[in-house]
Amino acid sequence: QQQVKQSPQSLIVQKGGISIINCAYENTAFDYFPWYQQFPGKGPALLIAIRPDVSEKKEGRFTISFNKSAKQFSLHIMDSQPGDSATYFCAARSTGSSNTGKLIFGQGTTLQVKP
Amino acid sequence: EAGVAQSPRYKIIEKRQSVAFWCNPISGHATLYWYQQILGQGPKLLIQFQNNGVVDDSQLPKDRFSAERLKGVDSTLKIQPAKLEDSAVYLCASSFPFPSGRAYEQYFGPGTRLTVT
Repeated sequence: QQQVKQSPQSLIVQKGGISIINCAYENTAFDYFPWYQQFPGKGPALLIAIRPDVSEKKEGRFTISFNKSAKQFSLHIMDSQPGDSATYFCAARSTGSSNTGKLIFGQGTTLQVKP
Repeated sequence: EAGVAQSPRYKIIEKRQSVAFWCNPISGHATLYWYQQILGQGPKLLIQFQNNGVVDDSQLPKDRFSAERLKGVDSTLKIQPAKLEDSAVYLCASSFPFPSGRAYEQYFGPGTRLTVT
């Protein structure tokens, strides 16, 4: 079964610090790895994404690091701000037998950035 | 650009009752998704439409859940009869059709929070 495992479940960081969230996957039939940010009462919003042929992608304070051989990828939030406090989900897009491009989500990480 | 619209935002029903959720995707998005998000978990895909057709409903509990997408635009997800374990947020998302290059960008609505008592 296709799975994406995310850790930690929750994270508390001081303002200005670095937040790091990790994900690991088991299936190699994934071709796209997005991160979503979700605020309470809102739907998830695409934050940043990476393809497996790239080892790192940076957009502003957000960076994805991708390790294809280890089947792991991580989100780094530099200079974390209280406004970054939210739940973060990693995901992987499946290109398996059904080939519908569906996303498999991790369990989520609740980030709290203390002022 | 208008986002994905969903209604209602909240619904409380008793077990064994029925409930329906409505979704209007972003204009031009041929693919529509319904996800179930149980508290503390990531979204789980229930059903995926491309235009009017179902392309993935492998995780839809078909004995109680049904969904339709008339005319390739709006969609309705129904639960009948509801169980306590159906309490969750039901999210609708839309995207350009897979496998187009922009299909990976899924846009989510605010969700409907369902409580079954």
